[in-house]
Amino acid sequence: EVQLVESGGGLVQPGRSLKLSCLASGFTFSNYGMNWIRQAPGKGLEWVASISSSSSYIYYADTVKGRFTISRDNAKNTLYLQMTSLRSEDTALYYCARQSWESWGQGVMVTVSS
Amino acid sequence: DIVMTQGVLPNPVPSGESASITCRSSKSLVYKDGKTYLNWFLQRPGQSPQLLTYWMSTRASGVSDRFSGSGSGTYFTLKISRVRAEDAGVYYCQQVREYPLTFGSGTKLEIK
Repeated sequence: EVQLVESGGGLVQPGRSLKLSCLASGFTFSNYGMNWIRQAPGKGLEWVASISSSSSYIYYADTVKGRFTISRDNAKNTLYLQMTSLRSEDTALYYCARQSWESWGQGVMVTVSS
Repeated sequence: DIVMTQGVLPNPVPSGESASITCRSSKSLVYKDGKTYLNWFLQRPGQSPQLLTYWMSTRASGVSDRFSGSGSGTYFTLKISRVRAEDAGVYYCQQVREYPLTFGSGTKLEIK
């Protein structure tokens, strides 16, 4: 069974950093591209970033470009999202999802507030 | 960026009736391989999104055949036949034709 489990969320002050993780199991992680998507409270879905299976191709939404970094460790079956210079508008539930979009994690909440 | 615009449903929809959700893209989602790169998702309250269809009309594994996707290069419809209480939630279309990937704003379906 495919499982994606996010962790690393929490309450953080504006301007600070946070690193999210997504631990994958039940499939060959190194064969799949991965995505981060977020959902602000009561709002819709927003794509954040994508990374190819070997990290050769990386894409970001303009809203996070230059502040967030997506990466992966295929040996550890883990996807990461390093978030810096956090703003209140980054407050959201962050999901990781597999390339084919049929598998999503349960999400991890990030709250940016002083 | 490709803008995705979703329609509104006349809620609530009586159980057993059909519902059609529309989505329009600001650019054709047909790629050079002939496929249309449009996904539909359902997000039930308190749950993660669930993929319903991809390539505009191909149902994801385990998805009921009551869900059917159709459309052209820029106008798309998700039809739900014989709606049930479990179909309630917010439906999102998403284009995966090019980066940045974009979602529609969502269409809420309520069941009576």
